[in-house]
Amino acid sequence: DAGITQSPRYKITETGRQVTLMCHQTWSHSYMFWYRQDLGHGLRLIYYSAAADITDKGEVPDGYVVSRSKTENFPLTLESATRSQTSVYFCASSELGVGGELFFGEGSRLTVL
Amino acid sequence: AQSVAQPEDQVNVAEGNPLTVKCTYSVSGNPYLFWYVQYPNRGLQFLLKYITGDNLVKGSYGFEAEFNKSQTSFHLKKPSALVSDSALYFCAVRTGFQKLVFGTGTRLLVSP
Repeated sequence: DAGITQSPRYKITETGRQVTLMCHQTWSHSYMFWYRQDLGHGLRLIYYSAAADITDKGEVPDGYVVSRSKTENFPLTLESATRSQTSVYFCASSELGVGGELFFGEGSRLTVL
Repeated sequence: AQSVAQPEDQVNVAEGNPLTVKCTYSVSGNPYLFWYVQYPNRGLQFLLKYITGDNLVKGSYGFEAEFNKSQTSFHLKKPSALVSDSALYFCAVRTGFQKLVFGTGTRLLVSP
Protein backbone atom coordinates (compact mmCIF):
# COMPACT_ATOMS: atom_id res chain seq x y z
CA ASP A 1 0.00 0.00 0.00
CA ALA A 2 1.16 3.53 -0.66
CA GLY A 3 2.16 5.60 2.31
CA ILE A 4 4.84 6.04 4.90
CA THR A 5 5.68 3.25 7.31
CA GLN A 6 7.83 3.20 10.40
CA SER A 7 9.36 0.26 12.20
CA PRO A 8 9.48 -0.83 14.88
CA ARG A 9 6.34 0.73 16.34
CA TYR A 10 7.54 0.00 19.87
CA LYS A 11 11.06 -0.51 21.14
CA ILE A 12 12.57 -0.89 24.59
CA THR A 13 16.33 -0.68 24.89
CA GLU A 14 19.01 0.02 27.44
CA THR A 15 21.28 2.97 27.91
CA GLY A 16 24.32 2.80 25.66
CA ARG A 17 22.84 0.51 23.02
CA GLN A 18 22.53 1.42 19.38
CA VAL A 19 19.03 1.66 18.00
CA THR A 20 17.86 2.22 14.44
CA LEU A 21 14.38 3.38 13.56
CA MET A 22 13.33 2.71 10.00
CA CYS A 23 11.20 4.87 7.73
CA HIS A 24 9.98 3.97 4.26
CA GLN A 25 7.78 5.99 1.90
CA THR A 26 6.22 4.95 -1.37
CA TRP A 27 5.35 8.35 -2.83
CA SER A 28 8.85 9.23 -4.07
CA HIS A 29 8.67 12.49 -2.11
CA SER A 30 11.91 14.41 -2.20
CA TYR A 31 11.85 15.59 1.39
CA MET A 32 11.88 13.42 4.48
CA PHE A 33 11.98 14.39 8.14
CA TRP A 34 12.45 12.97 11.59
CA TYR A 35 10.65 14.56 14.53
CA ARG A 36 10.45 13.65 18.17
CA GLN A 37 7.34 14.32 20.21
CA ASP A 38 7.62 15.05 23.91
CA LEU A 39 5.06 16.38 26.34
CA GLY A 40 5.31 20.14 26.60
CA HIS A 41 7.54 20.44 23.55
CA GLY A 42 5.27 19.50 20.71
CA LEU A 43 7.23 18.17 17.76
CA ARG A 44 10.88 19.02 17.32
CA LEU A 45 12.83 18.44 14.15
CA ILE A 46 15.83 16.14 14.50
CA TYR A 47 17.08 15.81 10.92
CA TYR A 48 15.72 16.26 7.45
CA SER A 49 16.71 15.31 3.95
CA ALA A 50 16.07 17.15 0.71
CA ALA A 51 17.02 14.22 -1.53
CA ALA A 52 19.07 11.06 -1.56
CA ASP A 53 22.51 11.68 -0.04
CA ILE A 54 21.50 15.15 1.17
CA THR A 55 20.77 15.53 4.87
CA ASP A 56 20.84 18.41 7.32
CA LYS A 57 20.42 19.03 11.02
CA GLY A 58 17.22 20.21 12.59
CA GLU A 59 16.57 21.67 16.01
CA VAL A 60 17.73 18.71 18.18
CA PRO A 61 20.26 16.59 16.23
CA ASP A 62 22.70 15.67 19.02
CA GLY A 63 22.98 11.93 19.61
CA TYR A 64 21.32 11.01 16.30
CA VAL A 65 22.63 9.96 12.91
CA VAL A 66 20.71 9.69 9.64
CA SER A 67 21.42 8.45 6.16
CA ARG A 68 19.53 8.48 2.90
CA SER A 69 21.08 6.26 0.30
CA LYS A 70 17.72 5.72 -1.43
CA THR A 71 14.90 8.22 -1.91
CA GLU A 72 12.35 6.00 -0.19
CA ASN A 73 14.28 5.20 3.00
CA PHE A 74 15.41 7.47 5.81
CA PRO A 75 16.65 5.54 8.85
CA LEU A 76 17.38 7.26 12.14
CA THR A 77 20.11 5.82 14.37
CA LEU A 78 20.74 6.49 18.02
CA GLU A 79 24.38 5.53 18.31
CA SER A 80 24.42 5.25 22.12
CA ALA A 81 20.93 5.62 23.53
CA THR A 82 20.33 7.78 26.59
CA ARG A 83 17.26 8.05 28.82
CA SER A 84 16.61 11.55 27.49
CA GLN A 85 16.00 9.98 24.10
CA THR A 86 12.92 8.20 25.39
CA SER A 87 10.27 9.66 23.13
CA VAL A 88 7.88 9.06 20.27
CA TYR A 89 9.59 9.48 16.93
CA PHE A 90 7.76 10.45 13.77
CA CYS A 91 8.98 10.23 10.24
CA ALA A 92 7.36 12.45 7.61
CA SER A 93 7.69 13.15 3.91
CA SER A 94 6.75 16.05 1.68
CA GLU A 95 6.63 16.99 -1.96
CA LEU A 96 9.04 19.63 -3.14
CA GLY A 97 7.87 23.16 -2.41
CA VAL A 98 7.31 25.28 0.67
CA GLY A 99 3.54 24.93 0.42
CA GLY A 100 3.54 21.17 0.56
CA GLU A 101 2.05 19.52 3.60
CA LEU A 102 3.83 16.78 5.50
CA PHE A 103 2.64 13.19 5.54
CA PHE A 104 3.44 11.41 8.77
CA GLY A 105 4.08 7.83 9.71
CA GLU A 106 2.37 6.22 12.68
CA GLY A 107 5.30 6.80 15.00
CA SER A 108 7.87 4.72 16.86
CA ARG A 109 7.66 4.73 20.63
CA LEU A 110 11.14 4.29 22.09
CA THR A 111 11.86 3.66 25.75
CA VAL A 112 15.44 3.78 26.98
CA LEU A 113 15.93 2.16 30.38
CA ALA B 1 13.47 32.93 14.39
CA GLN B 2 10.04 31.63 13.58
CA SER B 3 7.78 30.37 16.35
CA VAL B 4 4.25 29.27 17.01
CA ALA B 5 2.23 29.63 20.20
CA GLN B 6 -0.83 27.66 21.17
CA PRO B 7 -1.89 29.39 24.38
CA GLU B 8 -4.36 26.75 25.54
CA ASP B 9 -3.23 23.30 26.60
CA GLN B 10 -6.82 22.09 26.50
CA VAL B 11 -10.12 23.27 25.09
CA ASN B 12 -13.42 21.83 26.31
CA VAL B 13 -16.60 22.17 24.30
CA ALA B 14 -19.98 20.50 24.23
CA GLU B 15 -21.05 18.56 21.18
CA GLY B 16 -22.93 20.76 18.75
CA ASN B 17 -21.31 23.98 19.96
CA PRO B 18 -18.79 25.93 17.91
CA LEU B 19 -15.15 25.39 18.71
CA THR B 20 -12.02 27.52 18.38
CA VAL B 21 -8.43 26.42 18.88
CA LYS B 22 -6.06 29.35 19.00
CA CYS B 23 -2.73 29.79 17.29
CA THR B 24 -0.44 32.79 16.98
CA TYR B 25 2.82 32.94 15.13
CA SER B 26 5.98 34.98 14.86
CA VAL B 27 7.97 35.03 11.65
CA SER B 28 9.93 37.36 9.47
CA GLY B 29 8.52 37.23 6.00
CA ASN B 30 5.38 35.67 4.67
CA PRO B 31 4.13 32.70 6.67
CA TYR B 32 2.87 29.39 5.43
CA LEU B 33 0.52 28.11 8.12
CA PHE B 34 -0.77 24.61 8.78
CA TRP B 35 -3.06 22.73 11.12
CA TYR B 36 -2.60 19.06 11.90
CA VAL B 37 -4.63 16.67 14.05
CA GLN B 38 -3.36 13.70 16.01
CA TYR B 39 -5.56 10.91 17.29
CA PRO B 40 -4.29 8.63 20.08
CA ASN B 41 -1.36 6.43 19.07
CA ARG B 42 -1.43 7.77 15.53
CA GLY B 43 0.69 10.06 13.41
CA LEU B 44 -0.29 13.61 12.59
CA GLN B 45 -2.80 14.17 9.81
CA PHE B 46 -2.98 17.31 7.70
CA LEU B 47 -6.15 19.38 8.15
CA LEU B 48 -5.63 22.60 6.22
CA LYS B 49 -3.11 25.21 5.19
CA TYR B 50 -2.79 28.87 4.33
CA ILE B 51 -0.31 29.80 1.66
CA THR B 52 -1.74 32.90 0.06
CA GLY B 53 -5.05 34.33 -1.11
CA ASP B 54 -8.34 34.12 0.78
CA ASN B 55 -7.84 34.56 4.50
CA LEU B 56 -10.51 31.97 5.30
CA VAL B 57 -9.27 28.49 4.57
CA LYS B 58 -11.48 25.43 4.56
CA GLY B 59 -10.12 22.00 5.29
CA SER B 60 -10.97 18.42 6.14
CA TYR B 61 -13.80 17.26 8.44
CA GLY B 62 -15.57 20.65 8.36
CA PHE B 63 -12.72 22.59 9.90
CA GLU B 64 -11.70 26.05 8.80
CA ALA B 65 -9.13 28.59 9.86
CA GLU B 66 -8.80 32.32 9.45
CA PHE B 67 -5.50 33.97 8.71
CA ASN B 68 -5.23 37.36 10.41
CA LYS B 69 -2.05 39.14 9.47
CA SER B 70 -2.48 42.11 11.81
CA GLN B 71 -3.00 39.85 14.81
CA THR B 72 -0.53 37.23 13.55
CA SER B 73 -3.10 34.55 14.25
CA PHE B 74 -4.40 31.46 12.52
CA HIS B 75 -7.20 30.13 14.72
CA LEU B 76 -8.85 26.81 13.90
CA LYS B 77 -12.64 26.76 13.96
CA LYS B 78 -15.60 24.49 13.43
CA PRO B 79 -19.25 25.58 13.57
CA SER B 80 -20.53 22.44 15.31
CA ALA B 81 -18.24 20.14 17.28
CA LEU B 82 -18.47 16.36 17.26
CA VAL B 83 -17.32 13.96 19.96
CA SER B 84 -15.11 12.38 17.30
CA ASP B 85 -13.25 15.71 16.94
CA SER B 86 -11.63 15.05 20.31
CA ALA B 87 -7.90 14.89 19.58
CA LEU B 88 -4.63 16.78 19.81
CA TYR B 89 -4.31 19.71 17.41
CA PHE B 90 -1.06 21.24 16.24
CA CYS B 91 -0.51 24.54 14.53
CA ALA B 92 2.66 24.90 12.45
CA VAL B 93 4.40 27.64 10.51
CA ARG B 94 6.97 27.56 7.80
CA THR B 95 9.11 30.19 6.16
CA GLY B 96 12.20 29.38 4.25
CA PHE B 97 12.52 26.02 2.70
CA GLN B 98 10.71 23.07 4.23
CA LYS B 99 11.51 23.65 7.90
CA LEU B 100 8.19 23.43 9.65
CA VAL B 101 7.96 24.64 13.27
CA PHE B 102 5.18 23.20 15.42
CA GLY B 103 3.35 24.56 18.40
CA THR B 104 3.10 22.52 21.58
CA GLY B 105 -0.39 21.30 20.76
CA THR B 106 -3.90 21.82 22.15
CA ARG B 107 -6.01 18.97 23.37
CA LEU B 108 -9.63 19.30 22.31
CA LEU B 109 -12.23 17.47 24.38
CA VAL B 110 -15.77 17.40 23.06
CA SER B 111 -18.31 16.19 25.57
CA PRO B 112 -21.57 14.47 24.54
